[in-house]
This record gives sequence, structure tokens and C-alpha cells, in this order.
Amino acid sequence: AQTVTQSQPEMSVQEAETVTLSCTYDTSESNYYLFWYKQPPSRQMILVIRQEAYKQQNATENRFSVNFQKAAKSFSLKISDSQLGDTAMYFCATSTGNQFYFGTGTSLTVIP
Amino acid sequence: DGGITQSPKYLFRKEGQNVTLSCEQNLNHDAMYWYRQDPGQGLRLIYYSQIVNDFQKGDIAEGYSVSREKKESFPLTVTSAQKNPTAFYLCASSIVPAYQPQHFGDGTRLSIL
Repeated sequence: AQTVTQSQPEMSVQEAETVTLSCTYDTSESNYYLFWYKQPPSRQMILVIRQEAYKQQNATENRFSVNFQKAAKSFSLKISDSQLGDTAMYFCATSTGNQFYFGTGTSLTVIP
Repeated sequence: DGGITQSPKYLFRKEGQNVTLSCEQNLNHDAMYWYRQDPGQGLRLIYYSQIVNDFQKGDIAEGYSVSREKKESFPLTVTSAQKNPTAFYLCASSIVPAYQPQHFGDGTRLSIL
């Protein structure tokens, strides 16, 4: 089984500033995918960004980017120009093709 | 629009009662999943199914049962054997293999009366 660790239960950031959420994982698979999901107070799970493990280039989606360090099994999420709507729980997840494995989440609060 | 529909949004269970949570998808996905979400514990996998008439236990399957008679439907029954059922339940689907992102329903909040 795979494990996903998010070591920051809670974080806060000033509006318009940049914040980085950490995620490490453990897997013996050679091919896998990594995801960041956002869960706002509405509790809807929303995909933020996806990274293929075989790609060295870090994925980017507008203000969201990742720092993927395959050897270190690290997959952090950087949010630039933080907005009030970014306030949410953020979950890191991995998939080998059969199952998804989720971390325990980081609660991010954007302060006006 | 394609998506996943979970019902009901809120559900209450009496002691000794079985309750069934509905999950329907029209995304034509082969795989469907049930997760339980408790505060501070993230999402834990209860059951998943990658094809009709077949399903696999996840990490916390005890006290739960599922069926997959149709591709579109994956209902979850919380049995009386589940002693602590109060939680938020999320249903998800994906293509197989699950390298593409999962799509989630809006969830069902189950509480004990």
C-alpha cells in the first residue's frame, strides 16, 4: 500500500502572498500519478493540479504549481497571489491505477 | 452535464438499522469508489469497483456493503455492524486505469439518532 503524508495540518497566508503546502509519499511503483485536490467549505472535492511521475517538468495551472522531487518522493503545492477563495482543505493524493491514496489534508486560510 | 449524484445529502440512522447511500454517475466511468471522511483523517477508502458485478474491499470495509449491478450505480449500505457510522461519505468515479483524476459527488452526511 502507498502512504501519503501531509505534515502541516493548518496554514495561513495573507491575501496576495505565496504559500507552499508540503506532501511526501511512499510507493514502490515505478509508474504513478500525483494530484492535489481542494475541498472548500461546501465540501465539494475539486481537482487543482495533476502530475505524471514519469514527467520531470513540474505541472502548472494558473496560480498553482507543484515542485515534484521524485527521488525525495516529495510533491509540494505552491499557490501564488493567494485569494480569499483559496481558503479550503487541500489534499494530496497518489494513484497507481487501481486505487487513490489521500493524505490527511492541510487546512489553508487566506487572511484579508 | 455529466457528473456524480449522491443522495440523500443528509441521512439519520437509528440504532440497529441499515441505511443505504445512493451514488449515480453519467460519466461512463468504469471505476467507482466510496470514501469516508472524518475530521483530521482525510479520505479513507471503503470499497471500490472497477467493473460491473465486481468490487474490492478498501481499508475500512468492515460494517459496510456495496453492490455494482449497473455501470452507473454503486450504492453503499451502512449496516448495524458499523458501530461508529457518523461521518461524511463521498462517492467518486474514474476511468480505468485510474491515472485520470477522480470525479466526486457532493457527499452524504450520516448521523446517528
